[in-house]
Amino acid sequence: SQTIHQWPATLVQPVGSPLSLECTVEGTSNPNLYWYRQAAGRGLQLLFYSVGIGQISSEVPQNLSASRPQDRQFILSSKKLLLSDSGFYLCALGGVASTDTQYFGPGTRLTVL
Amino acid sequence: AQKVTQAQTEISVVEKEDVTLDCVYETRDTTYYLFWYKQPPSGELVFLIRRNSFDEQNEISGRYSWNFQKSTSSFNFTITASQVVDSAVYFCALSEGEGAGGGNKLTFGTGTQLKVEL
Repeated sequence: SQTIHQWPATLVQPVGSPLSLECTVEGTSNPNLYWYRQAAGRGLQLLFYSVGIGQISSEVPQNLSASRPQDRQFILSSKKLLLSDSGFYLCALGGVASTDTQYFGPGTRLTVL
Repeated sequence: AQKVTQAQTEISVVEKEDVTLDCVYETRDTTYYLFWYKQPPSGELVFLIRRNSFDEQNEISGRYSWNFQKSTSSFNFTITASQVVDSAVYFCALSEGEGAGGGNKLTFGTGTQLKVEL
């Protein structure tokens, strides 16, 4: 069965500091991977998605970036965090077919102070 | 543009009551998929159901049922005999289909907070 891991679970960072959130998946090969952010208003916003190693599509270009160095690893980064980057970050796994269901990881709660 | 509207921000019911969560969507695509997810206090989104645009049959799974009506662009979710464990935020989502670079982008509603009290 497929499993999604996200690390860390919670993070408190000062404004201007760098960020690295990691998502790893098990039990599947060549998945589509997604990063979503959920701000205080509860809506989920798609940030990035990747259909393969080194392939990143950005939906909301901000001070965030994503990378996919390995087939089952997806990383969300920032060089300098802003207060507005606070939120709940969710990694999702989808199948190869574009219409496959997306399954979500446990999330990382980020607070920028 | 794709859009999902969940007009009910918060619903409170007493245990054993039935409750319906509304979802209205907008899309120009003729082929699309609709989803419901549950987000308990722990935060993880739990997949509940997927429905494609060509299948308008209602579905029942235990206490859960879904009513898909293409004519009104609605995909409503009913919980029968609600329980405290049903307390969560529920999201309706619409599949935009394949993006320019592949992938499947979901458009989410803003969610409905359901509180089930004893």
